[in-house]
Amino acid sequence: ETGVTQTPRHLVMGMTNKKSLKCEQHLGHNAMYWYKQSAKKPLELMFVYSLEERVENNSVPSRFSPECPNSSHLFLHLHTLQPEDSALYLCASSRDSSRNIQYFGAGTRLSVL
Amino acid sequence: GENVEQHPSTLSVQEGDSAVIKCTYSDSASNYFPWYKQELGKGPQLIIDIRSNVGEKKDQRIAVTLNKTAKHFSLHITETQPEDSAVYFCAASKADSSYKLIFGSGTRLLVRP
Repeated sequence: ETGVTQTPRHLVMGMTNKKSLKCEQHLGHNAMYWYKQSAKKPLELMFVYSLEERVENNSVPSRFSPECPNSSHLFLHLHTLQPEDSALYLCASSRDSSRNIQYFGAGTRLSVL
Repeated sequence: GENVEQHPSTLSVQEGDSAVIKCTYSDSASNYFPWYKQELGKGPQLIIDIRSNVGEKKDQRIAVTLNKTAKHFSLHITETQPEDSAVYFCAASKADSSYKLIFGSGTRLLVRP
């Protein structure tokens, strides 16, 4: 596998729920990323963390709240989502934020009802 | 902002034939161009990349070419096999924001046995 593990793999939630997505990397990398993948659209970069500091917030609505407690773990906290937020959420990591090669997890398939 | 266009959106070839996927980028400052392969139920995996100081790069059955003047780059897969069936994404990034990969919208390749 890629060394980047995401849980859960599938998640169904109502619009009033609060849930969290988890990502863990075992590669010794210092940068981690959240992407949104919707059908027939390019991958959209949401957040970038480098050494646990957020370096990019790509105009993402506040109902998505990232957390990076250490360089190996990344969370995406979700609350009051909309049906259009249903998508595959991918986590990636790289050696540091100046290195282009990113390694992706398998993603969490999110359905908002 | 930077934009990457990818064509075709779907491609069907006979096993053993070649497949070519093309991308065009808008920002002439882009200097790194990776290609990712995404199989069903998995995250994107890097298969080959090229930097702007090189015109062509090969790795066994896959090759990437870059035309900086025309701002085009292409993925070539020779002697295609059924296991090459997947969605392929091109991407581009710039030196001053190397972590920010701008992805194309993907090409679904089907290799018919």
